[in-house]
Amino acid sequence: GAVVSQHPSWVICKSGTSVKIECRSLDFQATTMFWYRQFPKQSLMLMATSNEGSKATYEQGVEKDKFLINHASLTLSTLTVTSAHPEDSSFYICSASVLGTGSNYGYTFGSGTRLTVV
Amino acid sequence: SQQGEEDPQALSIQEGENATMNCSYKTSINNLQWYRQNSGRGLVHLILIRSNEREKHSGRLRVTLDTSKKSSSLLITASRAADTASYFCVMYSSASKIIFGSGTRLSIRP
Repeated sequence: GAVVSQHPSWVICKSGTSVKIECRSLDFQATTMFWYRQFPKQSLMLMATSNEGSKATYEQGVEKDKFLINHASLTLSTLTVTSAHPEDSSFYICSASVLGTGSNYGYTFGSGTRLTVV
Repeated sequence: SQQGEEDPQALSIQEGENATMNCSYKTSINNLQWYRQNSGRGLVHLILIRSNEREKHSGRLRVTLDTSKKSSSLLITASRAADTASYFCVMYSSASKIIFGSGTRLSIRP
């Protein structure tokens, strides 16, 4: 139980276009989801925390207008990279809080999305 | 954002040897998990240890947790080429925050 599905697993887009990444909780309701970014050979850095039905909380240095997060339902959060540029190329991972689901973990991770902007 | 520290940053050992990675953190935690990440791939959950536990085993993995020192270690015994990956400790803090370690890149030489 407590599975998070992240889609797409990889995407290549042209500079200036926007890309949407989806994170779905398959068998539980995720009131809180987290979005991370990972640069090569580095750890994951928290970008933002999204709560269902409210605005996301962004970490310092993360552009809100660049990385749009929507958490409109208890099973879906989306991250849209707007007007993507090559420097946005990275690995993006979501995770969801599983508090109250009976899971012992507290959170579970999506499989990640490799974004390449050309 | 808050981040845990791992050492070593990189580790290269001969196949068959044991690999030990350490993780330190600063806050109170509910549990600590170790994940493996192959290059460019997602996170694979390895093992969870709760704050009231001191040691856990899973196959060739052994994890210890010392909450007084705010540190954990991951031991991989009898390493294999397939163990080559990055390893992260991930803490779930008492304040319901997820804290990532900085990661250890493990290379197993055949």
